[in-house]
Order: sequence, then C-alpha cells, then structure tokens
Amino acid sequence: GAGVSQTPSNKVTEKGKYVELRCDPISGHTALYWYRQSLGQGPEFLIYFQGTGAADDSGLPNDRFFAVRPEGSVSTLKIQRTERGDSAVYLCASQDSMNTEAFFGQGTRLTVV
Amino acid sequence: QKEVEQNSGPLSVPEGAIASLNCTYSDRVSQSFFWYRQYSGKSPELIMSIYSNGDKEDGRFTAQLNKASQYVSLLIRDSQPSDSATYLCAVRGGGYQKVTFGTGTKLQVIP
Repeated sequence: GAGVSQTPSNKVTEKGKYVELRCDPISGHTALYWYRQSLGQGPEFLIYFQGTGAADDSGLPNDRFFAVRPEGSVSTLKIQRTERGDSAVYLCASQDSMNTEAFFGQGTRLTVV
Repeated sequence: QKEVEQNSGPLSVPEGAIASLNCTYSDRVSQSFFWYRQYSGKSPELIMSIYSNGDKEDGRFTAQLNKASQYVSLLIRDSQPSDSATYLCAVRGGGYQKVTFGTGTKLQVIP
C-alpha cells in the first residue's frame, strides 16, 4: 500500500482480555517500530524490528506485551490480560534504511474497560 | 534524565511571527534528528530531518543542529494558524538504533 496501515483503528476490550493489533508497513521497508502514546505525551518506544528480528524490545513494559514480524513485513502487537492502564493509542511506523525517516500509520486507539 | 527533552509549552506566537522550538538530547552518539508535527487526534507527520551540524531550510521551516551542545531546534517563519499543533523532536543513535521521541511542544499561533 501507499502508507503504513494499522488495524483496527479502534478497539474496545474488557479488562483481562487478549488483543492483537496489526501493522502493515510501507512495502519494502525493513524497519518497523511500535510506539504507545497517551494523551499529552510523546510516543513511547515499545519495540523495533529490523527484518524479522526484534533489534530492540527494551520498551515493552512487561511480559504481557509481545510482538512478532514473522515474514519481515506485517507485524502484530499482542497484549495479554489487558489492564485499564494499557489504554492508549498504539502507533506503528516503518522506515526503509538506517538513516531515513520513519513514517507513521494512523494508529489504533485501544480502550480497556 | 530523559533521553530527549522538550518544553511542553504551550508556546504562543502571533500570526506572521517566528516560532522557535527547542530540543536537547542526552546520547552523544546520536546521528539522526527529526521534527514531527502532530495535530490533535492524528498521528505524527514528518516535517524535517537533519543529520549534520548547521542549518537546513525547507520552505518556512529551518532545522538547526549543534551536536557539541546536544541541541536541535526548529524555526517556523511567518507562522500561520494552521501551524498550531504539537511538535515532536525525535532522535536516533548510530547503526540499528531506535528512534526516541520527546514529549512534544504545543504551539499556538494566534490570528
């Protein structure tokens, strides 16, 4: 596609449930990032993929969060046993080489009730 | 100390004035620097990137980088009400390093 696509755009889930958020990067982009953004804050780094492997997962807040990118393209962010504090906008960005800019998708707004 | 620091604002400037947005970063080996604009309820949009010391101009926007001082800034000339948004500074280290964002500065351009 022309840009980074994230689905769903909105997700409401009950506390304790499992959710998956999908990111489809710009075709050919090798780098993919997941960020989380709360109201009034900047994007908070979660995980960064180069190809299929996680180059840096130091931002994942705890073991309830996991992300995969099995074929080096689409990525899925998985959150187990969701908590109300997980409510935020989850942003995905992709990048085509080490030193070029990252482009963002429109985000998934996750609300845990 | 936060890795990327910005004044949260709001920064208010009159229409037609120059808006100056500042950012400092802690990692001396950082190599790539970006400014993103984010409108309320939207995702960040890249407006400028800079990789070497000095100034880089693009239309009404000028990015300035001083690696010795670990400082990067964005100047917006002839500010317009449509420039009202949150401006995010982002920094990347060398090699395969993550991009880290500041908390953003909210800019208000008063007509």
